[in-house]
Amino acid sequence: DAKTTQPPSMDCAEGRAANLPCNHSTISGNEYVYWYRQIHSQGPQYIIHGLKNNETNEMASLIITEDRKSSTLILPHATLRDTAVYYCIVRDRSNDYKLSFGAGTTVTVRA
Amino acid sequence: GAGVSQSPSNKVTEKGKDVELRCDPISGHTALYWYRQSLGQGLEFLIYFQGNSAPDKSGLPSDRFSAERTGGSVSTLTIQRTQQEDSAVYLCASSLEQGRMDEQYFGPGTRLTVT
Repeated sequence: DAKTTQPPSMDCAEGRAANLPCNHSTISGNEYVYWYRQIHSQGPQYIIHGLKNNETNEMASLIITEDRKSSTLILPHATLRDTAVYYCIVRDRSNDYKLSFGAGTTVTVRA
Repeated sequence: GAGVSQSPSNKVTEKGKDVELRCDPISGHTALYWYRQSLGQGLEFLIYFQGNSAPDKSGLPSDRFSAERTGGSVSTLTIQRTQQEDSAVYLCASSLEQGRMDEQYFGPGTRLTVT
């Protein structure tokens, strides 16, 4: 799997958009970008994934650059409940079922 | 519907004792995964069950660790002769089928402390 690089932490004001960057410059053509998060004392939670097109669901939006070497997860209106560690991973969706997280970005949403 | 459930939520045991951790996956999910997460560490894959296929045990750290899945549903992770380095949060996840990486649903975990 390609490795990813994320900032270790970031703060966000409640109600504002949170933009979480991720670099994955060695991503290969068949690897998807996935985002998970883990709220304190809970199991990881899937957020969104994409290959090359931008994606949006009820939780977030995923913006992938045209060269696919980086992406941004956008939480459009952050709430205090969004405080968590956010993990960006890249993986071959067809044959790699083992999730592996790096250090992630600790996002703290402040009132 | 009900999510993945795990029991117990917390387990404190003495070094050398055996422990059993239970996972109830989401009904109808054919794939089941065990991971562990040590304090401040990332996610470590342990074992994977998919339907009636032989499980992928490649992540089990030693032969003290074993897991079974009965009737394609409930799974039990057993750690024999526990050691202090086994202390971690043990997470179970399930997904509808292999390959649907977007749908690995995690349980709340079992926090194991070996004293």
